[in-house]
Amino acid sequence: DVQMTQSPYNLAASPGESVSINCKASKSISKYLAWYQQKPGKANKLLIYDGSTLQSGIPSRFSGSGSGTDFTLTIRSLEPEDFGLYYCQQHNEYPPTFGAGTKLELK
Amino acid sequence: QVTLKESGPGMLQPSKTLSLTCSFSGFSLSTSGMVVSWIRQPSGKSLEWLAAIDWDGDKYYNPSLKSRLTVSKDTSNTQVFLKITSVDIADTATYYCARSRGNKPLAFAYWGQGTLVTVSS
Repeated sequence: DVQMTQSPYNLAASPGESVSINCKASKSISKYLAWYQQKPGKANKLLIYDGSTLQSGIPSRFSGSGSGTDFTLTIRSLEPEDFGLYYCQQHNEYPPTFGAGTKLELK
Repeated sequence: QVTLKESGPGMLQPSKTLSLTCSFSGFSLSTSGMVVSWIRQPSGKSLEWLAAIDWDGDKYYNPSLKSRLTVSKDTSNTQVFLKITSVDIADTATYYCARSRGNKPLAFAYWGQGTLVTVSS
């Protein structure tokens, strides 16, 4: 299985700031990396797939970059609704595997 | 509008078989390219993909659990089922079903809210 290492585990920021979350795969997954947002009481939300393609309806302040083994999710100008848990996931091969998650908290 | 909803027993005893149902609307699993997966998440932990079934009836399993899992769908292509045999306390988790994003079978564009399953004697 492809192991996904996500960092940091916790991240504190204020509205208006920009943050980045990193994800490293144990082997090359080409561009096939997805990012999800998880919030209590809401369905998990696909933000980005194929490393940098924004899912329909996701605000442009979210962006993804990277290929091979190293990927980054960047959120510019944080909005109050952006605080929550974020997961990376490789969608290159079976079984798809997830990172441990990053908790984005209000500073 | 695509919606998915999971249902399950809530609680069951160790060694029993867990049966889960994913009921969905807004798409048909008979449509080419559609894939529905089961994913679980123990409280406070990350997500673990379990199994998937596609529009053609092909089934995919996580090798780590394959011997205990069975995924299936109904003939109307509006429900997907998952059975997990010989459950243990470690199977306590929220179980989600999720649909693929069109031509990306392993990118999960639509999720249910999840159903909590507790294994306890």
